[in-house]
Amino acid sequence: NAGVTQTPKFQVLKTGQSMTLQCAQDMNHNSMYWYRQDPGMGLRLIYYSASEGTTDKGEVPNGYNVSRLNKREFSLRLESAAPSQTSVYFCASTYSSANYGYTFGSGTRLTVV
Amino acid sequence: GQQLNQSPQSMFIQEGEDVSMNCTSSSIFNTWLWYKQDPGEGPVLLIALYKAGELTSNGRLTAQFGITRKDSFLNISASIPSDVGIYFCAGLGYALNFGKGTSLLVTP
Repeated sequence: NAGVTQTPKFQVLKTGQSMTLQCAQDMNHNSMYWYRQDPGMGLRLIYYSASEGTTDKGEVPNGYNVSRLNKREFSLRLESAAPSQTSVYFCASTYSSANYGYTFGSGTRLTVV
Repeated sequence: GQQLNQSPQSMFIQEGEDVSMNCTSSSIFNTWLWYKQDPGEGPVLLIALYKAGELTSNGRLTAQFGITRKDSFLNISASIPSDVGIYFCAGLGYALNFGKGTSLLVTP
């Protein structure tokens, strides 16, 4: 029972480099989300996908892009990483966007130097 | 996003003590949730509240959905060392809006 799987778990980037954070869920969930967590800030929504084929901006989308590759996978891309993007990134999924039952991955810890 | 104010920011208590934390919002939510995050892990759902005034328990945890639908409270009774972690409130809009968390430390 994998749930939500995020890769990689850790990453160090240089300023200006690009990378893609991967997220996959095996629960047949329709909605998927990307959050970032910074010390003392809670979790802030970056982008979400209410259903396959749709994506929408959340609270802090600048500097990021997303792709809902299929029902299972939702990736987050940093085109030109900046130190301000140093954070822990969490992917989550739920059966319906009106449903409370978000399942979270264990996170990707990204450092941009 | 909608602002959720969670307090206290941190608590340092002894095993066996009761704990209370709360969350207020400038907006109305129809669903309030409480999550716990262990170090190095993602948040895990503890309790979900669906109706104003609702009081719900999950073992030693009790949470209430405020009458105004703008606040919620979480109580932990007889704390134990494994209660250590960060507790988040969340209100469900088009997505979950999280408070900034209450960090709980429990000493034996």
